[in-house]
Amino acid sequence: GAVVSQHPSWVICKSGTSVKIECRSLDFQATTMFWYRQFPKQSLMLMATSNEGSKATYEQGVEKDKFLINHASLTLSTLTVTSAHPEDSSFYICSATYSYEQFFGPGTRLTVL
Amino acid sequence: GESVGLHLPTLSVQEGDNSIINCAYSNSASDYFIWYKQESGKGPQFIIDIRSNMDKRQGQRVTVLLNKTVKHLSLQIAATQPGDSAVYFCAEGYERTSYDKVIFGPGTSLSVIP
Repeated sequence: GAVVSQHPSWVICKSGTSVKIECRSLDFQATTMFWYRQFPKQSLMLMATSNEGSKATYEQGVEKDKFLINHASLTLSTLTVTSAHPEDSSFYICSATYSYEQFFGPGTRLTVL
Repeated sequence: GESVGLHLPTLSVQEGDNSIINCAYSNSASDYFIWYKQESGKGPQFIIDIRSNMDKRQGQRVTVLLNKTVKHLSLQIAATQPGDSAVYFCAEGYERTSYDKVIFGPGTSLSVIP
């Protein structure tokens, strides 16, 4: 089946630093990937749609300069949280589209001290 | 970012009983609806989906019912097992030219009592 991986699975960083999270489709090519953020005991909130070879489409209220998305190949999208602050601490989940169905990664737990 | 609601209701059921998880949606433009299961610290897993022109669909131990008149979706789990304990999300799917966009609902935490 279609498998999506994320790296790292968890990361702890200091306030003010930048963190990069990778999302890979392991056995299929994905022209479109999605990034979600999930706070404890809350739902997944769509942050942006990542399109291979073009700019990402951000949802309303999501700062594109803070959450940089790069979809440089058909199997890799990256999310960089720039100048991270404690309020950015969250569970970040990506998904990739294969045959019109979305497959989700295992998530990345970001903790900003 | 988009999200349909921010609270997380809970449901406790006895092992072996049937579970019914409900979801209200607001957008009539959804092309289909999906139920996902999320275990602690993991990404969502697809359970079942239903097109917006259908009112019922059955899978293995699960049934989804769609009532478009009152914009209500439900997931029925038969003979609930401890392994069913998780958070369940309904989601709305929107078809686009080359991809689908999925917006998640508020979620329900299901706890199965042995």
